[in-house]
Order: sequence, then structure tokens, then C-alpha cells
Amino acid sequence: QSVLTQPPSVSAAPGQKVTISCSGSSSNIGNNYVSWYQQLPGTAPKLLIYDNDKRPSGIPDRFSGSKSGTSATLDITGLQTGDEADYFCGTWDTSLSGGVFGGGTKVTVL
Amino acid sequence: EVQLVESGGDLVQPGGSLRLSCAASGFTFSSYAMNWVRQAPGKGLEWVSGISGSGGNTYFADSVKGRFTISRDQSKNTLYLQMYSLRAEDTAIYYCAKTRGYTSSPLDFWGQGTLVTVSS
Repeated sequence: QSVLTQPPSVSAAPGQKVTISCSGSSSNIGNNYVSWYQQLPGTAPKLLIYDNDKRPSGIPDRFSGSKSGTSATLDITGLQTGDEADYFCGTWDTSLSGGVFGGGTKVTVL
Repeated sequence: EVQLVESGGDLVQPGGSLRLSCAASGFTFSSYAMNWVRQAPGKGLEWVSGISGSGGNTYFADSVKGRFTISRDQSKNTLYLQMYSLRAEDTAIYYCAKTRGYTSSPLDFWGQGTLVTVSS
């Protein structure tokens, strides 16, 4: 069981939007920044969003993040076939003194 | 260009030991905390351990506490994960990841991973 809760899968047609939720508690999301990672099939994870809503250099603005209370959200607009991947939310847990991740959400482009 | 190259993964028997290495380049190694994250076959990501840039502070997941140690050699720009008393449930791809600063900071660069298989 992951500390952070994500839906197992989401899907949409090309060009549409998907939203991935990530739910936690006051010891993790509630008091720490959230990051999102994209893992394409057979590759290592890649940082997509950090500090709740910031994009590293090279990440298109189709990807956006937000946080409210103990939950965070990743939006992907203008969905492309190349976006098919697993997406993980992650943060630090102050009570555990360690990192925590969500179970991952598989995005399928229909 | 930041590069992280893990090595040391292998097939090991239950109860055995193994040391993973992560050679870092392209950044000032001692200025950044580093983490190990693992992924069991077909499963999600699990944070394993973290170490501060100076090496003075270390953190471990409860699942590995007392069995794994983390260290870094600043002169060799290399991160290590020493694993003891290995169990079947430790079977996973182990990734080393650079943080943006502190141990609790986002993981902005990841290595390609090294596979550890614990089986008799």
C-alpha cells in the first residue's frame, strides 16, 4: 500500500485532457512540496513537475500541477500518443522522515 | 550534462549481501543530496534511502532500516548502497537519483537503474 493514493489508470482521446489526482495527509502533501514523475515504458522516471507547479526546463506547458490541502493534481492537456506512460506523485513525509510515492497512474491515449 | 550510472546489481541468495554503486558526473557532487529509489517488477516506485550532500545525514525506509546503509565518496563522486540480509522482497531495479538540493528535495535526475534479484 502506497502512502499517497493515485487512480490506477486514466484515459482519453488524442488532444483531450486528463487529470491525475494524488491524495495524502498533513505529514506529507499537507506540509511539503509535491513532485510528479513520468516513466515511459522501459525507462527510468523523469521529473515532470516540482514544488507543486513548477516545470523543469524542457517540459512542455501541456503539463501542469497544483496542490490544495492534502491533495495534488497533475493535468495533461492536448494529449499525445507519446504521453502514454506511468505517472507518479512524490513528496517528503515529515513523520516518516523519508520520501513517499503514489502507486502510479497509467495514462492511455485512446 | 548530468550523468548517473549505477552498477553492482546481481543475483544473490536470500540472506546475502550486495553493494550498489552510482557514479555521478556533470555537477558538483558534494553540493547535492542523493537518494536511492527502487521498483519491483511491474510495481510502483519505493523510496529506499537518502543522504545529505555532506554525507552527515542519512535516512532509510522502514522496510530496509537496519539492513541497508548508504554512503558517498566525495573524492570519487560515487554514491553507494550497501545491502545486507537480503530478502526476496528486495528484488527490484534500484535507481540512484540526484536531488535539487536537500534530501527532501525533488529528484531531478535519475540513473538507468541496476537490477537486484534475490532468489535461491
